[in-house]
Amino acid sequence: GDSVTQTEGLVTVTEGLPVKLNCTYQTTYLTIAFFWYVQYLNEAPQVLLKSSTDNKRTEHQGFHATLHKSSSSFHLQKSSAQLSDSALYYCALSDLMGYKLTFGTGTSLLVDP
Amino acid sequence: ETAVFQTPNYHVTQVGNEVSFNCKQTLGHDTMYWYKQDSKKLLKIMFSYNNKQLIVNETVPRRFSPQSSDKAHLNLRIKSVEPEDSAVYLCASSWDRSSYEQYFGPGTRLTVL
Repeated sequence: GDSVTQTEGLVTVTEGLPVKLNCTYQTTYLTIAFFWYVQYLNEAPQVLLKSSTDNKRTEHQGFHATLHKSSSSFHLQKSSAQLSDSALYYCALSDLMGYKLTFGTGTSLLVDP
Repeated sequence: ETAVFQTPNYHVTQVGNEVSFNCKQTLGHDTMYWYKQDSKKLLKIMFSYNNKQLIVNETVPRRFSPQSSDKAHLNLRIKSVEPEDSAVYLCASSWDRSSYEQYFGPGTRLTVL
């Protein structure tokens, strides 16, 4: 089956500095789409980024990610972290049939002033 | 603006009781999902429905049973709750397949005493 690995449980960064959240995956099938979801405190998860194209950079709300199938990675980056970016971030992939998302374990991002 | 509605917000019950959670989406989506988010924030798919048809049924104890009256409603019943069922249950919907973005409801927090 599919699996998504997020190695960091918690990432702490100072406001204004760059941040990178790692995401790698394993799949035995053709995977359709990759996502980053963000969950703010006491809120529902919401999609941040989506990609299905190899080596194409996707951007939204100052965050960006590039799907690299050669290294099975879809890391999330931002050049200048903001206090409001503090949240829980999930990397996820959609299977071939498209009726199931497999989520990573999540990375909590804490941005300090 | 919330487009996926869940009731109740919270529910506290005792081991062995039956509980039901409701979910309604007003987005016109074809596919609805139930996820379980445990105390460690692990997010796992439980069920997927497409146009009232059960598509995905992960390894979920048989005491869990989803019910769909139409494509806008997906309920979850737990026949005899166990302590390990304490979690947040998130409902989501999307167009057709999960390769499209999923929209999550606010969740129902279940506490089993």
